[in-house]
Amino acid sequence: QQQVKQSPQSLIVQKGGISIINCAYENTAFDYFPWYQQFPGKGPALLIAIRPDVSEKKEGRFTISFNKSAKQFSLHIMDSQPGDSATYFCAARARNAGGTSYGKLTFGQGTILTVHP
Amino acid sequence: DTEVTQTPKHLVMGMTNKKSLKCEQHMGHRAMYWYKQKAKKPPELMFVYSYEKLSINESVPSRFSPECPNSSLLNLHLHALQPEDSALYLCASSPPGQGRNIQYFGAGTRLSVL
Repeated sequence: QQQVKQSPQSLIVQKGGISIINCAYENTAFDYFPWYQQFPGKGPALLIAIRPDVSEKKEGRFTISFNKSAKQFSLHIMDSQPGDSATYFCAARARNAGGTSYGKLTFGQGTILTVHP
Repeated sequence: DTEVTQTPKHLVMGMTNKKSLKCEQHMGHRAMYWYKQKAKKPPELMFVYSYEKLSINESVPSRFSPECPNSSLLNLHLHALQPEDSALYLCASSPPGQGRNIQYFGAGTRLSVL
C-alpha cells in the first residue's frame, strides 16, 4: 500500500514534443506529491509538487495533473528540450508519516527521459 | 546559501575500514536525511533526524551509524561494510514550518566497497 508505481521506465521524445510520465498510488494517506529531476552525478532536485486538493499545477513548461478519484498523477513536459534529458521520480508523502512532521517520501521507480535534438 | 554539501564526493574503502560521510547545510533546516541510491533506482530512505534527534531508522544495519552533532551537520559513520553497500549516498534537508515537505538533496558521495 506504500508503493508508488511509475511508468514508463524510459521515454524518448523529439525536441519540441510533449513528455508524459504517469504515477499511481494506493495509500489514501498520501497528501503531498512532488516530482524530482535527477541528472547523472547529481542529487535529485525538486521540480514541481502538488497537493490532492488541486487538480492541476503549472510551472513554466512543467505541469502536474492530479486525479484524486483514480489515485493517479502525471507530469507533462511541454516543448521538451535536450536539456530536460534526465531521470524523473514521482514521490508521495503521507500525513504524519513515522510519527513526525518530517515524513518519509515514497518514490516511484523512475523514468529515464531522453530528448533528441 | 541554498546548498546541501556532501564530502567526500567519492570514497573507496575496504571491508575492514572505518570511514565517515559528512553533510552540511546552512539554510536553517531542522530535518536532515540519509538516503542510499543504487544505479537506476530511486533513493531509499535510511535515517531521518528531526531537530537533531533520530526520528526514523528504516531498519538499517548497524554497520551504518548516523550522527547529528548540530543542526547544520550530519555524519554517517561506516564500519565493516559489504560490497553490496556500494552505492550513491545522498543527504537531504528540509526547512521547518510550511516548507517541511520539501527535501533539498546534496550531490551525494559515491561509495565503492572492495
